[in-house]
Amino acid sequence: QSVLTQPPSASGTPGQRVTISCSGSSSNIGSNNEYWYQQLPGTAPKLLIYRNNQRPSGVPDRFSGSKSGTSASLAISGLRPEDEADYYCAAWDDSLSGWVFGGGTKLTVL
Amino acid sequence: VQLVESGGGVVQPGGSLRLSCAASGFTFSTSGMHWVRQAPGKGLQWVAFIRSDGSNKYYVDSVKGRFTISRDNSKNTVFLQMNSLSVEDTAVYYCAKDLWNWGQGTLVTVSS
Repeated sequence: QSVLTQPPSASGTPGQRVTISCSGSSSNIGSNNEYWYQQLPGTAPKLLIYRNNQRPSGVPDRFSGSKSGTSASLAISGLRPEDEADYYCAAWDDSLSGWVFGGGTKLTVL
Repeated sequence: VQLVESGGGVVQPGGSLRLSCAASGFTFSTSGMHWVRQAPGKGLQWVAFIRSDGSNKYYVDSVKGRFTISRDNSKNTVFLQMNSLSVEDTAVYYCAKDLWNWGQGTLVTVSS
């Protein structure tokens, strides 16, 4: 059972906009920055979003993050077949004194 | 930024293993370093973090007392000493710089 809760799956067709949610609590998302990662099959995770809605250089602006209270969301617009991957949220947890990840969301591009 | 993990392998339950992560392409001595693991077919689990100067270390509860993270800033390397291993520790272990840049991982299999 992950501290951060994500839907196990999501899907969309090319060109669509999809969102992936990440539900936490006041000790993690509610008080700290959240991060989003993309993991393509057989590869290491890649940072997509940091500090709520900042993108590292090279990450397309099709990817965006937002936060409201103790929940965060990752939005992917203009969905492409190569976006098919697992997506994870993460945040520091003050109560646990450690980092926590969501269980991951498998995105399927139909 | 390049992070290269090594030291993984097959070990029996109760055994020990020491993972290494060689870093290059950035100022290692000013970067916090993490270990994150992923069991086969499962999600990511943060394992440990060490501050840039080694002054503070943090662990997930399930490895406290069994795993030790350390670093050698003169060799740009971070380590994870894993003792009393159990089958539940079987995973790909990634090292990560500030959770921004990640290595390709090293597989640890605990099996009799």
